[in-house]
Amino acid sequence: DTEVTQTPKHLVMGMTNKKSLKCEQHMGHRAMYWYKQKAKKPPELMFVYSYEKLSINESVPSRFSPECPNSSLLNLHLHALQPEDSALYLCASSQDSATGQGGYGYTFGSGTRLTVV
Amino acid sequence: RKEVEQDPGPFNVPEGATVAFNCTYSNSASQSFFWYRQDCRKEPKLLMSVYSSGNEDGRFTAQLNRASQYISLLIRDSKLSDSATYLCVVINSGGYQKVTFGTGTKLQVIP
Repeated sequence: DTEVTQTPKHLVMGMTNKKSLKCEQHMGHRAMYWYKQKAKKPPELMFVYSYEKLSINESVPSRFSPECPNSSLLNLHLHALQPEDSALYLCASSQDSATGQGGYGYTFGSGTRLTVV
Repeated sequence: RKEVEQDPGPFNVPEGATVAFNCTYSNSASQSFFWYRQDCRKEPKLLMSVYSSGNEDGRFTAQLNRASQYISLLIRDSKLSDSATYLCVVINSGGYQKVTFGTGTKLQVIP
């Protein structure tokens, strides 16, 4: 079982809808990430939260809005998405964004498969 | 040249075979290296970190060659369950930790 839990597992939304993806981890990790993965492509980093503060935004369109309510939770709010935003959205965590990656890597959630119609 | 490059495969190998993948990286200042495994329509899962001295975990051996800027993954005695896409991950420092995934190498182990 993954230690990073993402909900929902599948989501179909219209271009005018507002929805949220949720991610939760209880490993005490202080860095959390959102990745987007299209079919047959590697994951692409979207956002990094370090100690509950947004530290990296990889030029993601404003229709994606991240939120980190506390150290265990990470949300991704979606609004006015386009069909090309359909993808697997992966949440990940690591001990922290500076040293945690040195030997521990990331733990990924199982993802939310998003379809925009 | 891409920052991280992998042969996409597929590598089709019989059960019991030994197979090796390489992953080249362009930034000589890269700090940390990992191999991840991703099954079809699933999330990536950490397979192993890659250390300068090389490391082994059961049938899997990972090596780092800093001079030639590549990492490798060797799988011995391949099992059907090893069929997956293997992603290399390279982490650079410099302001913030930049994480780059390779495009993955697909392995298909055949009975």
